[in-house]
Amino acid sequence: DAGVTQSPTHLIKTRGQQVTLRCSPKSGHDTVSWYQQALGQGPQFIFQYYEEEERQRGNFPDRFSGHQFPNYSSELNVNALLLGDSALYLCASSLEGAGTQYFGPGTRLLVL
Amino acid sequence: AQSVAQPEDQVNVAEGNPLTVKCTYSVSGNPYLFWYVQYPNRGLQFLLKYITGDNLVKGSYGFEAEFNKSQTSFHLKKPSALVSDSALYFCAVRDMPTGRRALTFGSGTRLQVQP
Repeated sequence: DAGVTQSPTHLIKTRGQQVTLRCSPKSGHDTVSWYQQALGQGPQFIFQYYEEEERQRGNFPDRFSGHQFPNYSSELNVNALLLGDSALYLCASSLEGAGTQYFGPGTRLLVL
Repeated sequence: AQSVAQPEDQVNVAEGNPLTVKCTYSVSGNPYLFWYVQYPNRGLQFLLKYITGDNLVKGSYGFEAEFNKSQTSFHLKKPSALVSDSALYFCAVRDMPTGRRALTFGSGTRLQVQP
């Protein structure tokens, strides 16, 4: 049984560019959450998707957007990249009632 | 608003000795508490959770955690540390039991186990 998978593993972009990160949830899970982990800090919640809709959002600007597909996979899009967007982006999947979010290995984004 | 504090940036312990990693929380309702571990260049790995019931929760790899409502704490413990336990540990809280609400994480505690 595959766990949460994310692609790509690493990415280098320049300021002003746009990036798309992808996540496939653990088999049987219907909810995907995205977190940003800056160096030396704990993960910060970006947003959560369920039934292809954004259900909850953290304190991130509109440059951060997402999507969930009918197969429950998800994308995170970041527009107009800033140097401060450099971080590890983590995807987590979960199932209503189970309570536990399981994390993927992350995508490390470097903005130059 | 919910919050988590991990007061120690780093904990050092000798192999074979017991270890404790501290966590305190603040949440308006009943807390749902989690511990995750992160190895270098890896995602977060679930260790254990407290939802309700027994205050002592047992998890993966011999770890356990004690929920103390009066002290609003959820400390992670292990009776005998291994060198392979060296990693970054995160405590997290949520104010609802379901998987459809955000986790709030602490800043993390680096555990170093010396041989």
